[in-house]
Amino acid sequence: EAGVTQFPSHSVIEKGQTVTLRCDPISGHDNLYWYRRVMGKEIKFLLHFVKESKQDESGMPNNRFLAERTGGTYSTLKVQPAELEDSGVYFCASSQGRPQNLKSYEQYFGPGTRLTVT
Amino acid sequence: EDQVTQSPEALRLQEGESSSLNCSYTVSGLRGLFWYRQDPGKGPEFLFTLYSAGEEKEKERLKATLTKKESFLHITAPKPEDSATYLCAVQARYYGGSQGNLIFGKGTKLSVKP
Repeated sequence: EAGVTQFPSHSVIEKGQTVTLRCDPISGHDNLYWYRRVMGKEIKFLLHFVKESKQDESGMPNNRFLAERTGGTYSTLKVQPAELEDSGVYFCASSQGRPQNLKSYEQYFGPGTRLTVT
Repeated sequence: EDQVTQSPEALRLQEGESSSLNCSYTVSGLRGLFWYRQDPGKGPEFLFTLYSAGEEKEKERLKATLTKKESFLHITAPKPEDSATYLCAVQARYYGGSQGNLIFGKGTKLSVKP
């Protein structure tokens, strides 16, 4: 079974530019999460999709961040315009989403996208 | 406020020297506590989920336990390949039947010397 994949693995952009990150979850996983780790800090939640719907976007830092999951498959996270403080590693995770099955709570992470804004 | 604190921040062991990592948490209602392993440049790799106090799970040299306030990750006779950052995270019962996000600690960086 293929794991969660993310693209690109690294991105270096200048302040003010736009970057789009992509996440492909494990096939059949309804839940998709975006997280971010800023240097020296813990991994923090950004938002959560259930299929194509945004379940919770309380962790999104501001309106420069836009996430989509059209068709309930892959997701994109766009940062526009990028600021220096957006630098960090962006992780995507997915889980099955079957409440009657405890294993469905397990979130599996992708390798991350390292974003550097200069 | 829901919070996860891991200790120590870093731990150096000799090969074969057993030890434990600690994860203390405060959460309004615990749905599950998760342990992950993270190698440099990679994403967190799922290890265990614990759901209720008293529960224990084992995988090779690792054993995770859970109480109402903390979890321990015991490492028995570690090997150099166990070197990694170990992350603890909790999931709260915010969302009724739906699934919520994970709240992470900063991790414990484990180094095992041969």
